Amino acid sequence: DQQVKQNSPSLSVQEGRISILNCDYTNSMFDYFLWYKKYPAEGPTFLISISSIKDKNEDGRFTVFLNKSAKHLSLHIVPSQPGDSAVYFCAASEDYNQGGKLIFGQGTELSVKP
Amino acid sequence: DAGVIQSPRHEVTEMGQEVTLRCKPISGHDYLFWYRQTMMRGLELLIYFNNNVPIDDSGMPEDRFSAKMPNASFSTLKIQPSEPRDSAVYFCASSSTGGLNTEAFFGQGTRLTVV
Repeated sequence: DQQVKQNSPSLSVQEGRISILNCDYTNSMFDYFLWYKKYPAEGPTFLISISSIKDKNEDGRFTVFLNKSAKHLSLHIVPSQPGDSAVYFCAASEDYNQGGKLIFGQGTELSVKP
Repeated sequence: DAGVIQSPRHEVTEMGQEVTLRCKPISGHDYLFWYRQTMMRGLELLIYFNNNVPIDDSGMPEDRFSAKMPNASFSTLKIQPSEPRDSAVYFCASSSTGGLNTEAFFGQGTRLTVV
């Protein structure tokens, strides 16, 4: 039973365009959501997060949107750059104070082409 | 800070041997997590500690797996005896409670191959 799902294993986008990565969850107890980026042979790197009391959080080129009624969140990257090519993981926690106790999605491999 | 430090980066061992993975969390962090990444199951939480005390080990797959945190700056994950299906990348992560930022910071991982 996957509580966090990323249904697109891969996504290819042209440099300069928008990348939209999607994530769905089933557990209504989740109240903290995070996106991690992972390069090969490295550990996941924190990118951006959102609390369940918000519906949007923005940090530079990265924006995360949360739709609690649909149990859906998305990560927007604008504009996309070749260096953004990596695997992106959506993750969720039931407790903001335990930000490392996470349920991860399977990941979406983003390829940004020059 | 150098971040979360794991050793070794790669480990190849024979089935039946004992394997010990090591982790040094970020100084001042009070939570430490051990994760495993496999093709089949993705990234899954094995066990986590708060202030050096194990809180939840429900993700540990079998009794062959054990983890300790003798002090705030060191943790080990041990597999004894190891089996080929234990082959995976093992990540250690640490985080801090309270404040604005509670996200986990991950180490570079240990790639374990059991032959």
